[in-house]
Amino acid sequence: ETGVTQTPRHLVMGMTNKKSLKCEQHLGHNAMYWYKQSAKKPLELMFVYSLEERVENNSVPSRFSPECPNSSHLFLHLHTLQPEDSALYLCASSQGTTVVTQYFGPGTRLTVL
Amino acid sequence: AQSVAQPEDQVNVAEGNPLTVKCTYSVSGNPYLFWYVQYPNRGLQFLLKYITGDNLVKGSYGFEAEFNKSQTSFHLKKPSALVSDSALYFCAVREENAGNMLTFGGGTRLMVKP
Repeated sequence: ETGVTQTPRHLVMGMTNKKSLKCEQHLGHNAMYWYKQSAKKPLELMFVYSLEERVENNSVPSRFSPECPNSSHLFLHLHTLQPEDSALYLCASSQGTTVVTQYFGPGTRLTVL
Repeated sequence: AQSVAQPEDQVNVAEGNPLTVKCTYSVSGNPYLFWYVQYPNRGLQFLLKYITGDNLVKGSYGFEAEFNKSQTSFHLKKPSALVSDSALYFCAVREENAGNMLTFGGGTRLMVKP
């Protein structure tokens, strides 16, 4: 549980606010991920960073902006969000690019008013 | 393209009875298959994975899963359910050459009643 941490755990923001989600992994991994978990929907992969370079962006709206300053930290910058963006945002990390078990943080519960 | 299906939104089982949570997949080549569990207000926890070798994979908390290539299934099982097993379970698949990309199923809620 403490291998991947996320802050804040809960966030309420208005549509005009700017906020950031933070993820930190203490596992020595070299890849990090952002997922969106909405009610009654499969997990949606948003971004993948491998060796601090973005390798995947699944057509996520530009109001979500990731940043990976080093292999241990990952941010998700939020601005002008919509109410439908309310969800649980999960961070994960893994080591390598072959058989990758991803390890997840506890998530940030985001509510957009 | 890889995909995974969990046909049951919810599975109910009495404590002490065996449980099965179903998962079927579709990939172009060889699959790598995973099960994760999510407890309330927590992230996903890794349970077990199949890469190659024995079709029966043993994982955490007494869970196991059986890989069946002909039926393209990877059902999660436990011989005797506990109330504390109640949670949301996710199956995930990755094709052999798909890099870091996992595709998750929609999840199955397991309810174990005393």
